[in-house]
Amino acid sequence: ILNVEQSPQSLHVQEGDSTNFTCSFPSSNFYALHWYRWETAKSPEALFVMTLNGDEKKKGRISATLNTKEGYSYLYIKGSQPEDSATYLCASLSGSARQLTFGSGTQLTVLP
Amino acid sequence: DAGVIQSPRHEVTEMGQEVTLRCKPISGHDYLFWYRQTMMRGLELLIYFNNNVPIDDSGMPEDRFSAKMPNASFSTLKIQPSEPRDSAVYFCASNMDRTGTDTQYFGPGTRLTVL
Repeated sequence: ILNVEQSPQSLHVQEGDSTNFTCSFPSSNFYALHWYRWETAKSPEALFVMTLNGDEKKKGRISATLNTKEGYSYLYIKGSQPEDSATYLCASLSGSARQLTFGSGTQLTVLP
Repeated sequence: DAGVIQSPRHEVTEMGQEVTLRCKPISGHDYLFWYRQTMMRGLELLIYFNNNVPIDDSGMPEDRFSAKMPNASFSTLKIQPSEPRDSAVYFCASNMDRTGTDTQYFGPGTRLTVL
């Protein structure tokens, strides 16, 4: 059973729309939260790693926020483009372990 | 650097056969992770190594699965005997995570089909 939950499971938006999705994770013993972008037939690529409550990271049109007290992170995409179509995975790392627990991802499709 | 290298990219085998998947991590990375991706369970960690030593293999599904890392530049994941339910994409990833915050760099994956 995954204890990292992502919603929605899939999302279709029109080109130019802004969108966001959610990652929920166990807040106890939190250490880090990772976001990955996974295009079909490719391997996951890292977007962000966040550790501090209130952290906000940005890369181009994509940004993410982190709330470690309540155990959630949001990923935002501003002005979606067809090339943003991918599955966005989040993964949490707790305690002193080095293993990431991945969510099931949000599959984003941006329609031209 | 060429990134994490996995071979083969695709493997089709018959039930009962031995399957060996290979991974070459990025040079200088001392953590190596094996993941399995299925529709039902998503991306799940099977085992990871630090400095060639297996640290946590609690994700290995059963005794049919074994993994080794004989040196810093090579790891194998072996399934013997293979079963149809082992069909999945197997990813290898590496990093040099001293603090727990380094991103993991994934290989292209091996798509395994067991008939």
